[in-house]
Amino acid sequence: QQQVKQSPQSLIVQKGGIPIINCAYENTAFDYFPWYQQFPGKGPALLIAIRPDVSEKKEGRFTISFNKSAKQFSLHIMDSQPGDSATYFCAATSPLRDMRFGAGTRLTVKP
Amino acid sequence: EAGVAQSPRYKIIEKRQSVAFWCNPISGHATLYWYQQILGQGPKLLIQFQNNGVVDDSQLPKDRFSAERLKGVDSTLKIQPAKLEDSAVYLCASSFRLGDPSTDTQYFGPGTRLTVL
Repeated sequence: QQQVKQSPQSLIVQKGGIPIINCAYENTAFDYFPWYQQFPGKGPALLIAIRPDVSEKKEGRFTISFNKSAKQFSLHIMDSQPGDSATYFCAATSPLRDMRFGAGTRLTVKP
Repeated sequence: EAGVAQSPRYKIIEKRQSVAFWCNPISGHATLYWYQQILGQGPKLLIQFQNNGVVDDSQLPKDRFSAERLKGVDSTLKIQPAKLEDSAVYLCASSFRLGDPSTDTQYFGPGTRLTVL
């Protein structure tokens, strides 16, 4: 069963645009919500993460917004660049650190 | 600091054959994870080790998959016999230890791409 639902599957934006990727979860035991970035032929790499007691976290051009009551969270990429073109995965983990990933969003940033 | 190493990078086998993947985690990392990533999907956790003990293997198809982590360092994942639906990238990740997730980042290796014909 898919415990973390991610949308959209793919996203194309122009350079400088603000792509937004959304995720929803079901398990209220999840206590940590990371986002991973994956380039072709590479393993996922941690981008940014948030705990459910925080509504927003910003690191550089990347921002996570978190809505605990709705069990939803999203990633915003400010001033997107062609180098941001990659697949992005949201994930959630419980205190057991059993990470559950979304299906991924393939982002293309056009020059 | 060296990253997570995996080998081989690619493997092509016939169905019903056996295959093994090897992972060397980052030095000093107590926790090791194996994931299966089918094309177009997110990684799916197969098994999680803390040192050489299994923490979670609830999603490991135990009739054909096995994994071990001898001496709490390197790990091998084996599939015997392989099926067509096992075609995927097998990712290994490691983290310093189980605990506060904000300081327990999982670092992923490049993966082994398995094709079962």
